Amino acid sequence: AQRVTQPEKLLSVFKGAPVELKCNYSYSGSPELFWYVQYSRQRLQLLLRHISRESIKGFTADLNKGETSFHLKKPFAQEEDSAMYYCALSGGNQGGKLIFGQGTELSVKP
Amino acid sequence: DAGVIQSPRHEVTEMGQEVTLRCKPISGHNSLFWYRQTMMRGLELLIYFNNNVPIDDSGMPEDRFSAKMPNASFSTLKIQPSEPRDSAVYFCASSLEGTSGTYNEQFFGPGTRLTVL
Repeated sequence: AQRVTQPEKLLSVFKGAPVELKCNYSYSGSPELFWYVQYSRQRLQLLLRHISRESIKGFTADLNKGETSFHLKKPFAQEEDSAMYYCALSGGNQGGKLIFGQGTELSVKP
Repeated sequence: DAGVIQSPRHEVTEMGQEVTLRCKPISGHNSLFWYRQTMMRGLELLIYFNNNVPIDDSGMPEDRFSAKMPNASFSTLKIQPSEPRDSAVYFCASSLEGTSGTYNEQFFGPGTRLTVL
């Protein structure tokens, strides 16, 4: 079965601390993985996707096929990073359909 | 471009009433998705359309839910009759399907917060 698991509902860190939001997936083929973010009072929006292999707002995520993980990392958290983060998976033959994880709320304290 | 537009933004109704949620995708996009967000289940895909044709409705909870896309610029999600457990935030998203099986970013609307009393 296709599934995305985000084990942490809430992650609270202090400003300047490293952040790692965990995401594990279950998929039999070659998936495409994404991180979406929803800031307070804003729309859900794409943060990054694994095929781009880029850093957005200081965040990076590496697809580890051996561990079936796609953890989101940032070395130094900022208060403006506080938001809801969703990991999502798309299969190559599923017409762009996304399967989302439950989401992790990141709270960065001053 | 105003992005994906959803209406209403908030809907409060009584159990048994019909509810219709509306979505206008980004002009030029050819895929449209309806999602439901709840605390218990997170974001679930209900149904999606490609070129106005429903492709996968396996996420639609039951026959009380129906969705249509009569043209490229409009879609509706209807619940009839509504029940308290349908209370959730419903999101619409659109994207442009590329060539060679590639799929582009999904752009989300602001959502409709539905409360069924």
